[in-house]
Amino acid sequence: NAGVTQTPKFQVLKTGQSMTLQCAQDMNHNSMYWYRQDPGMGLRLIYYSASEGTTDKGEVPNGYNVSRLNKREFSLRLESAAPSQTSVYFCASSDNYEQYFGPGTRLTVT
Amino acid sequence: SQQGEEDPQALSIQEGENATMNCSYKTSINNLQWYRQNSGRGLVHLILIRSNEREKHSGRLRVTLDTSKKSSSLLITASRAADTASYFCATEPHSGTYKYIFGTGTRLKVLA
Repeated sequence: NAGVTQTPKFQVLKTGQSMTLQCAQDMNHNSMYWYRQDPGMGLRLIYYSASEGTTDKGEVPNGYNVSRLNKREFSLRLESAAPSQTSVYFCASSDNYEQYFGPGTRLTVT
Repeated sequence: SQQGEEDPQALSIQEGENATMNCSYKTSINNLQWYRQNSGRGLVHLILIRSNEREKHSGRLRVTLDTSKKSSSLLITASRAADTASYFCATEPHSGTYKYIFGTGTRLKVLA
């Protein structure tokens, strides 16, 4: 089992460009999450999906959209990237309380 | 806003010593979890303690929870260089939502 996979690992964008971060899990989990991690800030929840077909906002949803494509995949889209979105993005999945994290995507917006 | 605040922010100890880090939170919780993050990697779940539990053990880890003080502590006994990592607490403020809020973390360095 691969667990939670994320693509890409690294990305550099110019201000205003758009991109989609991909996340997939092979553990048949119902819940999936997107977090961002900034230095000294811990992880902050962007969006989460309790089950296929549902999504809900987290603490910092502005500037992002998500799609729960099916039970396995949960994507995060930046429509118009801003320098404030420079961060490390983590996807996670869970079927009860324990969350399993992907390796992260390091995004820089110039 | 951050629900959990870890203390201290950074901790440096010698191999073999015990490491204690604390987490304080603001609202009532259903459970509290501790995670470890090695540099540049995703978080790994360590232990979960429910709101009706006061202490829990897992190998060299001991977690306590004091709901009256809204605080938890993580003790790592007989630390090893491989324990060098950042440690985060995560709380679920509203039961059943599975929306966890992570603290700012404690950076632990274990010197060989």
